[in-house]
Amino acid sequence: GESVGLHLPTLSVQEGDNSIINCAYSNSASDYFIWYKQESGKGPQFIIDIRSNMDKRQGQRVTVLLNKTVKHLSLQIAATQPGDSAVYFCAETYNAGNMLTFGGGTRLMVKP
Amino acid sequence: NAGVMQNPRHLVRRRGQEARLRCSPMKGHSHVYWYRQLPEEGLKFMVYLQKENIIDESGMPKERFSAEFPKEGPSILRIQQVVRGDSAAYFCASSPPSNRDSGYTFGSGTRLTVV
Repeated sequence: GESVGLHLPTLSVQEGDNSIINCAYSNSASDYFIWYKQESGKGPQFIIDIRSNMDKRQGQRVTVLLNKTVKHLSLQIAATQPGDSAVYFCAETYNAGNMLTFGGGTRLMVKP
Repeated sequence: NAGVMQNPRHLVRRRGQEARLRCSPMKGHSHVYWYRQLPEEGLKFMVYLQKENIIDESGMPKERFSAEFPKEGPSILRIQQVVRGDSAAYFCASSPPSNRDSGYTFGSGTRLTVV
C-alpha cells in the first residue's frame, strides 16, 4: 500500500457502531503489520500489530485481521467513540527489517 | 519516560536557508527513523540510523538532505538550501533493537514551512 492519493478516503460512522477500516498491502514478503492512529497535529500512535503467522489478533475494542492470500489487512473498532475520530494507517515491514512502509490512510469520523 | 521528543514543533524557513530538525529517542532506544508526511498522505520513510551509523538511507533525497545520530545528543535531520517542496511534517520514531514488540514510538513531529 503506497500512499498515492491527494485526499484520504473517509469512513463516517455513528457513535456506538462498529467500524471496519481496510488496507491492501503490496509486498507478499511482508511479515509484520501495524495499525497506527494519527490525530490532527500529532504523530502516529501504535494501536495493534500482527505477525504473518497469525490471521487475527485482538486488543481492547480493536481487532486486526490479516488475509495473506489477498494481501489484505483490516482494523475493526468495536463500539466506536468520538475519541476514535482520526486518520488510521496500516504499515508493513518484512525480512526482519526495520523500515515501515505506510499505506495511504483512512479518515474515521464518528458522529455523536 | 518522556517519549520521543522532537523540536522544534514548527519551523519556518525562507527558500535557500538551512533547516535542522532534532529528535531525542525514548530512553533505552538505540534506533532512530525519520519519516516525511505531506498533507493528506501517509508517512514516507527517509532514513534509519543507529548511534554513529546510518543503516538505511534509501528514502533520502540524494541532495541537500543529511542525517546523523551522534554518540551523544539527539539525531539531526538537516536540509540545506530548502525549497518550497520541502514543506512537510517530519516525524521521528525510535525503537529498541528489536521493534517487533510494539512497533515504533513516534514523536509529535516538526512541521516545516518554507516561504
